Amino acid sequence: SQQGEEDPQALSIQEGENATMNCSYKTSINNLQWYRQNSGRGLVHLILIRSNEREKHSGRLRVTLDTSKKSSSLLITASRAADTASYFCATVPSILTGGGNKLTFGTGTQLKVEL
Amino acid sequence: EAGVAQSPRYKIIEKRQSVAFWCNPISGHATLYWYQQILGQGPKLLIQFQNNGVVDDSQLPKDRFSAERLKGVDSTLKIQPAKLEDSAVYLCASSPRRGMPYNEQFFGPGTRLTVL
Repeated sequence: SQQGEEDPQALSIQEGENATMNCSYKTSINNLQWYRQNSGRGLVHLILIRSNEREKHSGRLRVTLDTSKKSSSLLITASRAADTASYFCATVPSILTGGGNKLTFGTGTQLKVEL
Repeated sequence: EAGVAQSPRYKIIEKRQSVAFWCNPISGHATLYWYQQILGQGPKLLIQFQNNGVVDDSQLPKDRFSAERLKGVDSTLKIQPAKLEDSAVYLCASSPRRGMPYNEQFFGPGTRLTVL
């Protein structure tokens, strides 16, 4: 079953604009990860945020996590055509709900960045 | 560092036939995963191995799917007999044991299966 739901399902922007994707999940987590998937490079890990962190940055990526609302957002600043891909959030359960390193993926946001 | 290798990349079979997929994880990675990704959805975990032992196979349809990881390295996933709804991309991933659960998973290119 899918743990997370991404919103929006699809997003189309112009190069240079910012793109924001949201993810909601259902159970307690140890950490939340974002992955990108395109036909050229397959599924690639972008960033991981732990349950005790609220915000994390990596290059043009900014991730926030609100565990009280069970939600996360991914912001891509100054987008490029090469950012065109599907973006998935994935959660790792807390020890209280099973633990381990099992990833449960959301449904994904399709981002298209146009020139 | 070599990535996760999978073969074949594409496979077309008829329903009720059998098919097998092969995965070679990144050297030294103790944990190996098989995912099923249906078009338009996120990957769904089928089975997780730690070395050559099964950690989680709760979402593996065991009446038709089987997987093994002999010697704790390569793995094969088999479907027998295949159904139309098995059409999907089958992804293999690996991660090191050290640092769990804060490890990213490294994914292979996947095998696209079409069942006619």
